[in-house]
Amino acid sequence: AQKITQTQPGMFVQEKEAVTLDCTYDTSDPSYGLFWYKQPSSGEMIFLIYQGSYDQQNATEGRYSLNFQKARKSANLVISASQLGDSAMYFCAMRVSGNTPLVFGKGTRLSVIA
Amino acid sequence: DTEVTQTPKHLVMGMTNKKSLKCEQHMGHRAMYWYKQKAKKPPELMFVYSYEKLSINESVPSRFSPECPNSSLLNLHLHALQPEDSALYLCASSQVRESNQPQHFGDGTRLSIL
Repeated sequence: AQKITQTQPGMFVQEKEAVTLDCTYDTSDPSYGLFWYKQPSSGEMIFLIYQGSYDQQNATEGRYSLNFQKARKSANLVISASQLGDSAMYFCAMRVSGNTPLVFGKGTRLSVIA
Repeated sequence: DTEVTQTPKHLVMGMTNKKSLKCEQHMGHRAMYWYKQKAKKPPELMFVYSYEKLSINESVPSRFSPECPNSSLLNLHLHALQPEDSALYLCASSQVRESNQPQHFGDGTRLSIL
């Protein structure tokens, strides 16, 4: 069975600063994908970034980067130059090979302070 | 704007009513999903359709009845719901077998049961 753990229920960050949101995972499948989603208070789930288990380099998408440490089974999200609009719930999720749905962590609520 | 469209955005219904939630995508995805999300919790998987056939039913009560009329549409029929069914209902779609492809979510339907 797959499991995602997000240990930070809430985080605060000053505007323009960088912040790291933690995510650890557990699976016995060698092929898997790790995803981060952002959910503002309005409700929509916005896909941010993806990291594959065989990817050699850490994924980056604009201000988002993923610190992937395979041996530690961690996939932390780094948001650089935080903006007020980054305030939202952030979910880490995993999907293993084949026709399997996403497994979500409990989420981290990020609040950006002006 | 999301590529997965859900209607209605808000729904208030009594416990004896019958209503339907609708979801549409035109990305050529052959896997579609229904999730239920309570406040401050991660999404909980309800149903998965793969190639228009129900592949996963997470022991959801029969008062929720999914339907996939074609590869672009997914419905969730509601009947005799309980107050605890009040939640955000999210639809998502993805490629079927590619673990590196994200699920794309709609904006959700906020359901309130009186």
